[in-house]
Amino acid sequence: SQKIEQNSEALNIQEGKTATLTCNYTNYSPAYLQWYRQDPGRGPVFLLLIRENEKEKRKERLKVTFDTTLKQSLFHITASQPADSATYLCALDLSLPSGSARQLTFGSGTQLTVLP
Amino acid sequence: IAGITQAPTSQILAAGRRMTLRCTQDMRHNAMYWYRQDLGLGLRLIHYSNTAGTTGKGEVPDGYSVSRANTDDFPLTLASAVPSQTSVYFCASSDSTAGGTDTQYFGPGTRLTVL
Repeated sequence: SQKIEQNSEALNIQEGKTATLTCNYTNYSPAYLQWYRQDPGRGPVFLLLIRENEKEKRKERLKVTFDTTLKQSLFHITASQPADSATYLCALDLSLPSGSARQLTFGSGTQLTVLP
Repeated sequence: IAGITQAPTSQILAAGRRMTLRCTQDMRHNAMYWYRQDLGLGLRLIHYSNTAGTTGKGEVPDGYSVSRANTDDFPLTLASAVPSQTSVYFCASSDSTAGGTDTQYFGPGTRLTVL
């Protein structure tokens, strides 16, 4: 069955270091992959999208890579700050169990804490 | 611009009661979605609507119903609430004509407790 896995439930990192989060998927070839940020008590907020034919995408201190051979996306935050502390979700379009449509499906997220 | 609003913010409900969670967007997005988020399980799609007048079942549709009478509103109804429906519910919308990338915009969520 199709599956999305994010590498760990929680990641602690020292301020100023680069945080790297992993998203793996199985039994599927998505057309694109997205990353979202979710703060406690709030809805997820879109950060970046990377398409299957793109290797890397950048936005300010954020960088996303997409390796369709490894079936993996890496999400990097360089020069991390305490304000980057949040849960980060990856999402890709997967077929629903009914097989009727593709819909955006989310991983369970990685909670990042940047320590001052 | 409000984006997506949800009501109520939170609710405690007795089992067996009927409840409707409201969702309204002002972005004129064609697609709307309802998710539930539970600890350790992430966001799971309940129902979706690709356009006004149509709806579809997501990953966990049982016990829930939706309607999409117009572009802006997408209410979620629990006909007879059960404790396993205790969760945080998020509504989202997307402009699925925008290159097919389906980037979603989320509301603030409704925290529902069924006793």
